[in-house]
Formats: sequence, C-alpha cells, structure tokens
Amino acid sequence: NAGVTQTPKFRVLKTGQSMTLLCAQDMNHEYMYWYRQDPGMGLRLIHYSVGEGTTAKGEVPDGYNVSRLKKQNFLLGLESAAPSQTSVYFCASRYRGGNLDTQYFGPGTRLTVL
Amino acid sequence: AQSVTQLGSHVSVSEGALVLLRCNYSSSVPPYLFWYVQYPNQGLQLLLKYTSAATLVKGINGFEAEFKKSETSFHLTKPSAHMSDAAEYFCAVSDTGFQKLVFGTGTRLLVSP
Repeated sequence: NAGVTQTPKFRVLKTGQSMTLLCAQDMNHEYMYWYRQDPGMGLRLIHYSVGEGTTAKGEVPDGYNVSRLKKQNFLLGLESAAPSQTSVYFCASRYRGGNLDTQYFGPGTRLTVL
Repeated sequence: AQSVTQLGSHVSVSEGALVLLRCNYSSSVPPYLFWYVQYPNQGLQLLLKYTSAATLVKGINGFEAEFKKSETSFHLTKPSAHMSDAAEYFCAVSDTGFQKLVFGTGTRLLVSP
C-alpha cells in the first residue's frame, strides 16, 4: 500500500503558467481533499470530492480547478498561476468507518510561483 | 462558521516535562475535533480525535486530549515529553458530515535535553 501519493514534490512556475498537481490513493477511499498550507495560517481547504465524478468548493477555491475522473485520483489545476499561490499543497483521502473515520495525508507538493 | 484558536505558536519544554498545547474552538453545531502532528517535510498524521463518544480521548504516542464544552477547549497533553515529540501540532474542527477540516495556525513544540 502506497497510501496517498502526490506528484510532483516540487515545482517552480512563472506567473501566468498553468500546471496540474496529481493526488493518487490506493485505499479505495470515496472522499478526497486538497489543502494549502501557508506559514502562520495552518491548512485551508481548497476543494474536496465525495466520490468519483463529484467535486465541491472549500474555503479558498478561487484560482483552482479540480477533477475526479477516477476514484483513485484527484487533480488540482492552476490555469494561470499567481505569486499568491506559492504554498505547500496537501492532498488527503478519507476512510469512513466509525471510530476509524480519518483523513490520510500525502507528503505534499511545494509550489513556488515567481 | 467553525474556527479554531491555538494559543502559542511555539512551546518549549524539557525532555521528561509535561506537554500542554492549547486549543479553543468555536462551532454552532456539535463539533468533531482533531489533533494532527506534522514532522518536518512530511504530511499530517492523526494523533487523536473527539467525536462525542468520550470527553477524554487517548491517542497515539502517549498523547491525550480532553473535550470541555463549558470552556470550548480541547487541549492536548502528554505527561512526559520525548525528543521525538518535537514537531508542529495542529488542532482542527469539522462538521460531522463532509469532514471539511478547519485548522488552527499550529504550535511548534520544541523539546530540549
């Protein structure tokens, strides 16, 4: 079991460029989430998905799009990157099972937008 | 809206001393509360969570937290700190359905020999 993996680990973009972050999980979880982590601000929810083919907005969705075409993958897209999107991005998937109901986090993607 | 306040961005303790990390929450509905730990350059790992079953929650690595509704608090404690406990700790609150976590700003725990 690889758990939750994120690709790439690091990326540097120029303002206006686009890119897609990939999150993959092999635990057959229905729910998946994208968060961003900024210094002094904790993690904030960008978008989430409750199943294949569904997505919903979180706390800070502007400037991002997501897709969940396959149950195991959750993609986060930046169409036109801005310096304000410099952050560490974490993906999580959720096991729903009573007392074991919890989110499992990936190792993160560090994105710098120049 | 739900929110979490973590008092103290940094907490320093000596090895073997009591660890106390503070978390206060705000929620208009019965909350689920979580404590996560983040080691350098890693993702978050769940320490423990409160889901209304018991007010004193025991987690991994000897940590525990007590839910106090009257104080809207969910402080994290460990009787005796270990060097390996040095990390950043996040308190989070969520709804009971979609589990959209709202995190605090984090507390970095420093453990000295």
